[in-house]
Amino acid sequence: QSALTQPASVSGSPGQSITISCTGTSSDVGSYNLVSWYQQHPGKAPKLMIYEGSKRPSGVSNRFSGSKSGNTASLTISGLQAEDEADYYCCSYAGSSTFWVFGGGTKLTVL
Amino acid sequence: QLQLQESGPGLVKPSETLSLTCTVSGGSISSSSYYWGWIRQPPGKGLEWIGSIYYSGSTYYNPSLKSRVTISVDTSKNQFSLKLSSVTAADTAVYYCASPRFLEGMDVWGKGTTVTVSS
Repeated sequence: QSALTQPASVSGSPGQSITISCTGTSSDVGSYNLVSWYQQHPGKAPKLMIYEGSKRPSGVSNRFSGSKSGNTASLTISGLQAEDEADYYCCSYAGSSTFWVFGGGTKLTVL
Repeated sequence: QLQLQESGPGLVKPSETLSLTCTVSGGSISSSSYYWGWIRQPPGKGLEWIGSIYYSGSTYYNPSLKSRVTISVDTSKNQFSLKLSSVTAADTAVYYCASPRFLEGMDVWGKGTTVTVSS
């Protein structure tokens, strides 16, 4: 069982917005503003999409945004495009003993 | 531009030790910016952080794997390595090396290497 809980799947039509949740605890997501999000297409390495909860690396579309409330972080993708269909993983710093923990992943289907 | 490349055997026998190396190019393994790390992904499953090593030599391991994992750095070769002992079929996975930064996340990944544990 993963340390962070994500929905197994979400779907949306092109142009719509979707949100993927990532629920942790007061020991990880709730204690640190160090949640990152990764996009993974089949057979490829993960790609960093969001770091420090809401910051986008250079080159990542502004259609991707991140937020946090309490022990839950969220990734929102607006203006869905076919190329957004992929698996998405959240990751949080969890203190000096555990360091990093991942969510179980969410499969995004663009209808 | 930082690039990472994993290398090592694709097949390991049960109870033996899995050994992988990650070669760093475009940057120095001695950089204080990175917590050089290993992440794995079993077939059809999610990502699991295995552990990381800081330039100072400090290591950080997933508590669930800590008793079997060793991560080390070879500064002369600009490489870092993973050793996972007493492997079982459950350790079959794609193994990625990455360059996590504490604030900025894991922004550079290797392409991954598949390791199968089987006799």
